[in-house]
Amino acid sequence: GENVEQHPSTLSVQEGDSAVIKCTYSDSASNYFPWYKQELGKRPQLIIDIRSNVGEKKDQRIAVTLNKTAKHFSLHITETQPEDSAVYFCAAKFWNNDMRFGAGTRLTVKP
Amino acid sequence: NAGVTQTPKFRVLKTGQSMTLLCAQDMNHEYMYWYRQDPGMGLRLIHYSVGEGTTAKGEVPDGYNVSRLKKQNFLLGLESAAPSQTSVYFCASRNRAYEQYFGPGTRLTVT
Repeated sequence: GENVEQHPSTLSVQEGDSAVIKCTYSDSASNYFPWYKQELGKRPQLIIDIRSNVGEKKDQRIAVTLNKTAKHFSLHITETQPEDSAVYFCAAKFWNNDMRFGAGTRLTVKP
Repeated sequence: NAGVTQTPKFRVLKTGQSMTLLCAQDMNHEYMYWYRQDPGMGLRLIHYSVGEGTTAKGEVPDGYNVSRLKKQNFLLGLESAAPSQTSVYFCASRNRAYEQYFGPGTRLTVT
């Protein structure tokens, strides 16, 4: 069935280091790939997204890359800060407007 | 502009009881979604709607029903609650650029 897989499930980095989270998806017709940040007890918040006609998008310290041929996309956070600690989710919009999410990555940034 | 709101915030049900969760959005979005979030499993799509009067099944629809009688509201019903339905429920609406905005969530416990 349609799904999105996300790795790793947990990631711990030192403040100032980079963090990379990877996702793969199953539907070759998917054309929209958002990333969400969820702090404890809060709702998911959209932080960046990428569409199928673009290979890379950057917004200050965060960037997302997309490889449509391989059906995978990644989130890159540079110069990590303690406030980046949260759970990050990738998602993909499937052909029928269904939006599916990965299982999440718990990122911990150690001061 | 309240965005996406959910009612109630918390609820405790006994097995077999029924309840309705209400989601409301004031952004004039056509698309609305109901997800459940369980520890380590990310956000799983229950049902969604692509417009007033329409609904569609997502990944985990069993045990739930939905209705979209008005564009701004999307209701999620549990006819006979089971302990397996203990979860945090998030509603989201989506704009034409595919960007999803989430409500604050409803924490449901079924005993």
